[in-house]
Amino acid sequence: NAGVTQTPKFQVLKTGQSMTLQCAQDMNHEYMSWYRQDPGMGLRLIHYSVGAGITDQGEVPNGYNVSRSTTEDFPLRLLSAAPSQTSVYFCASSQTGVGEKLFFGSGTQLSVL
Amino acid sequence: DAKTTQPPSMDCAEGRAANLPCNHSTISGNEYVYWYRQIHSQGPQYIIHGLKNNETNEMASLIITEDRKSSTLILPHATLRDTAVYYCIVRSYLTQGGSEKLVFGKGTKLTVNP
Repeated sequence: NAGVTQTPKFQVLKTGQSMTLQCAQDMNHEYMSWYRQDPGMGLRLIHYSVGAGITDQGEVPNGYNVSRSTTEDFPLRLLSAAPSQTSVYFCASSQTGVGEKLFFGSGTQLSVL
Repeated sequence: DAKTTQPPSMDCAEGRAANLPCNHSTISGNEYVYWYRQIHSQGPQYIIHGLKNNETNEMASLIITEDRKSSTLILPHATLRDTAVYYCIVRSYLTQGGSEKLVFGKGTKLTVNP
């Protein structure tokens, strides 16, 4: 099992550009989520999904879109990147239900100039 | 959603037990306490979780007070590799559709010194 795979590991964008951060898991997990982490801060939840076709907003959803067409993939889209979106992004997955633990990817470091 | 309060930083000597406290005074009856850690800039790693009984696994022990308003994560013999940010999280559930989200705070920066 590869676990949770995030690509790319590093990305530099110009303001206004769009891009998609990829996240895939091979553990057949229903629950997937995206977090961002800024220097000195904890992780903040952007969007999450409890299954294919179902997504919902977290704490900081503005500027980001998600979709969940398959169980395995949960891409995060930045439609028009802004410097405020410079951050490290983590994808995570788990089984749903009480007591299940999150598995995290290794992160994507994004810089928006 | 129940919130957690953790000290921003702690130090521990290598080989000694590290005791990391967490306050969650507004926790409700069906909420679990989870602990994760983040080493350097890696993705967070699950450590342990519990509801009301004390729990132990190969990584750590979790002690939850009887009133469930606080808990302590214990690393019995801390090593330099345990230097990390430790997050105490109360797992909250939304009321619609059984969906759920995990909310992280700022955690405790644990430094294990040689």
